[in-house]
Amino acid sequence: DVKVTQSSRYLVKRTGEKVFLECVQDMDHENMFWYRQDPGLGLRLIYFSYDVKMKEKGDIPEGYSVSREKKERFSLILESASTNQTSMYLCASSLEGVNLFFGSGTQLSVL
Amino acid sequence: AQSVTQLDSQVPVFEEAPVELRCNYSSSVSVYLFWYVQYPNQGLQLLLKYLSGSTLVESINGFEAEFNKSQTSFHLRKPSVHISDTAEYFCAVCTSGTYKYIFGTGTRLKVLA
Repeated sequence: DVKVTQSSRYLVKRTGEKVFLECVQDMDHENMFWYRQDPGLGLRLIYFSYDVKMKEKGDIPEGYSVSREKKERFSLILESASTNQTSMYLCASSLEGVNLFFGSGTQLSVL
Repeated sequence: AQSVTQLDSQVPVFEEAPVELRCNYSSSVSVYLFWYVQYPNQGLQLLLKYLSGSTLVESINGFEAEFNKSQTSFHLRKPSVHISDTAEYFCAVCTSGTYKYIFGTGTRLKVLA
């Protein structure tokens, strides 16, 4: 089975901190994604990556950056966390044209 | 631009009753369609998908969805629900040959004893 692992289930940070969310997949998928999930808004794409060191902005990239140095690992970085970035963050991976495989999510609270 | 609409934010239903969760999409090009399920405190899991071929697709746990191109719909149905089906259900579309998935806002299905 495909496994997508997110490093933290819950995370509490202070405003202005730099935050790293890590995601690792074990199925050699080319594509990896970061979404945020908010009640009533569904999932919104922050960034995706289709290869090592390749990335594209999604619908809401402001305030975020990403890093993909190895195929299996995709990191989401909040350069200076703000309270409006409190959310559930979901990582996913896929092969082209096939369904997404999701991690369990990281609930981030920024105080 | 593509969009996905799930009109029902919450659907309460009694155990063993039938249920339909509605999904409508808009797209001017060919799409793939998906239903994902999210159980409490978990990530999303694929429930079923339509890529091509038969317009009726089924999941292993009794759900089915029918792709209706003329009505641009992909409604999810189950003839008899169980307590364990309580979850949030997301409809999603992806343009063929791209990486971009568009998700609906989700429908919370609550099955009552």
